[in-house]
Amino acid sequence: NAGVTQTPKFRVLKTGQSMTLLCAQDMNHEYMYWYRQDPGMGLRLIHYSVGEGTTAKGEVPDGYNVSRLKKQNFLLGLESAAPSQTSVYFCASSYRRLAGDEQFFGPGTRLTVL
Amino acid sequence: DAKTTQPTSMDCAEGRAANLPCNHSTISGNEYVYWYRQIHSQGPQYIIHGLKNNETNEMASLIITEDRKSSTLILPHATLRDTAVYYCIVRVGGGTSYGKLTFGQGTILTVHP
Repeated sequence: NAGVTQTPKFRVLKTGQSMTLLCAQDMNHEYMYWYRQDPGMGLRLIHYSVGEGTTAKGEVPDGYNVSRLKKQNFLLGLESAAPSQTSVYFCASSYRRLAGDEQFFGPGTRLTVL
Repeated sequence: DAKTTQPTSMDCAEGRAANLPCNHSTISGNEYVYWYRQIHSQGPQYIIHGLKNNETNEMASLIITEDRKSSTLILPHATLRDTAVYYCIVRVGGGTSYGKLTFGQGTILTVHP
């Protein structure tokens, strides 16, 4: 049981390049999330998904796209990277529960855009 | 979701209890109190959550005041590995609402030998 895994762990891009971050979970969770964390700040939600084939915008979605073609995978895409997207990206997943839910986080992807 | 207020930083001696306060005076009746922590450079880790009753698990205890306007996370025997940023988050429970977590600045807990 690997939990939540993220690929890659580190990446350096040049402005304008594109890339895809992969998040995978093996806990059969319905919900998945992408957050970003800038230095000295808390996490901010980029996009989320409440089930396979569905996605929705979080609080900072501009410049990112997502897809959830399979329940266990949630992809975050940067079509044209900008220096402002330099950050640490965390993926998380959770069950859908009535009485509160625990989110499981991956180890993060450290992205630098030059 | 209700806003929370936490002290910026706290210190604790190893082996002693760490009591981390959180103020959430605007909490609504259907909002839960969650605690997460983030050890340096790692992803956040869930600790505990509760609605109105006190809760305890293998990691910590959560004490919620009767009016639910504040709470305290208790780490009963802090170790050096408990040094982390601790986030108190208030949000509506699961079910039909998605689990968006709003992370504030948190409390930096430093455990000293």
